[in-house]
Amino acid sequence: NAGVMQNPRHLVRRRGQEARLRCSPMKGHSHVYWYRQLPEEGLKFMVYLQKENIIDESGMPKERFSAEFPKEGPSILRIQQVVRGDSAAYFCASSPGLPSDEQYFGPGTRLTVT
Amino acid sequence: RKEVEQDPGPFNVPEGATVAFNCTYSNSASQSFFWYRQDCRKEPKLLMSVYSSGNEDGRFTAQLNRASQYISLLIRDSKLSDSATYLCVVNDSGGSNYKLTFGKGTLLTVNP
Repeated sequence: NAGVMQNPRHLVRRRGQEARLRCSPMKGHSHVYWYRQLPEEGLKFMVYLQKENIIDESGMPKERFSAEFPKEGPSILRIQQVVRGDSAAYFCASSPGLPSDEQYFGPGTRLTVT
Repeated sequence: RKEVEQDPGPFNVPEGATVAFNCTYSNSASQSFFWYRQDCRKEPKLLMSVYSSGNEDGRFTAQLNRASQYISLLIRDSKLSDSATYLCVVNDSGGSNYKLTFGKGTLLTVNP
């Protein structure tokens, strides 16, 4: 029973490039949440998605960040024109049938912007 | 006031010691409370939920005081494998039961 999968695990981008982070929820889970952990900080909620819908993006920076969860395939967190301050660990979590605080976390993607 | 505030740590204790972590939260409407552990450069993993009546899981005991908006975690007979960062997590219930708010964490190192 595979858990939440994220790839890549490590991603290095130069300033101005785009970063795409992928998340496949646990089998049977249809709710996906993205969190960001800046160095020396706690995880911060970014966005909550269901298939083909963004439910809550209140934690997303207003510019350069977007997320999707298409009908087929993984959820994608996209960061355009990355800056050094985007360097962080990005964690995806999923939950079954209903929006829930019972969330299972993936291993994260560590983004480094040089 | 920070939404979830924890002891800054770090805590360094010998094997077999008892160690306690404290946490306060600012949103009095929060409904659910958890302790997670996070190993270095890994994902957070749920350690235990915290209930108003207090709950115990083996060597781990969690307590919640809603009036004081205070949560605690007690680890007895600590093991080397308990070394990790312990995260206090609160459900930010302002209408959304899915938005978890994390503290910065307290680093615990258990020494042989």
